Amino acid sequence: AQSVSQHNHHVILSEAASLELGCNYSYGGTVNLFWYVQYPGQHLQLLLKYFSGDPLVKGIKGFEAEFIKSKFSFNLRKPSVQWSDTAEYFCAVARMDSSYKLIFGSGTRLLVRP
Amino acid sequence: GAGVSQSPSNKVTEKGKDVELRCDPISGHTALYWYRQSLGQGLEFLIYFQGNSAPDKSGLPSDRFSAERTGGSVSTLTIQRTQQEDSAVYLCASSYRRDRVNYGYTFGSGTRLTVV
Repeated sequence: AQSVSQHNHHVILSEAASLELGCNYSYGGTVNLFWYVQYPGQHLQLLLKYFSGDPLVKGIKGFEAEFIKSKFSFNLRKPSVQWSDTAEYFCAVARMDSSYKLIFGSGTRLLVRP
Repeated sequence: GAGVSQSPSNKVTEKGKDVELRCDPISGHTALYWYRQSLGQGLEFLIYFQGNSAPDKSGLPSDRFSAERTGGSVSTLTIQRTQQEDSAVYLCASSYRRDRVNYGYTFGSGTRLTVV
């Protein structure tokens, strides 16, 4: 069965530190890839997405992610985090040859200390 | 509407009662999804509707759960004989797909269900 793994469940950083959150998936075919963010008390918001083309994708608020097909990875990065980035981050994968349902990782809780 | 609308936003029910959760997707979005987010857990896929195709019910945890989508728009998720383990936030999402590319999912703010 397809799965999405986020290995970091909790991450604590100080402001201005660099961030990298790992995401790996287990499906070998063509996929669409997403990162969603859920700020405290708010609903899920799309951070960025990859469909095809340039594997380095830039999203909102200075986030970017790199799709490495050979590693089945789609890691999220930000060079300098801010206190306002405190949130839960979800990686998600949709297979292109199935029902297109979005399968989520278990999420990473990021706490940024001022 | 401008976004995915879910109602009620909060629901407290007694164990054994039935509940109905409503989702009104973005106009023009052909696909509609239900997910469940339990405390400290990720998002669990429940059911998916795409146009007139038969729904993908593979994520429904038991036969107490059912969902329907009327007229290709509004969807209702029904939980019969609720149990305490059904307590969670139930999220609805809709999406637009073209040429086998799924342009992401827009989520509603969810319904927080508490079974007491």
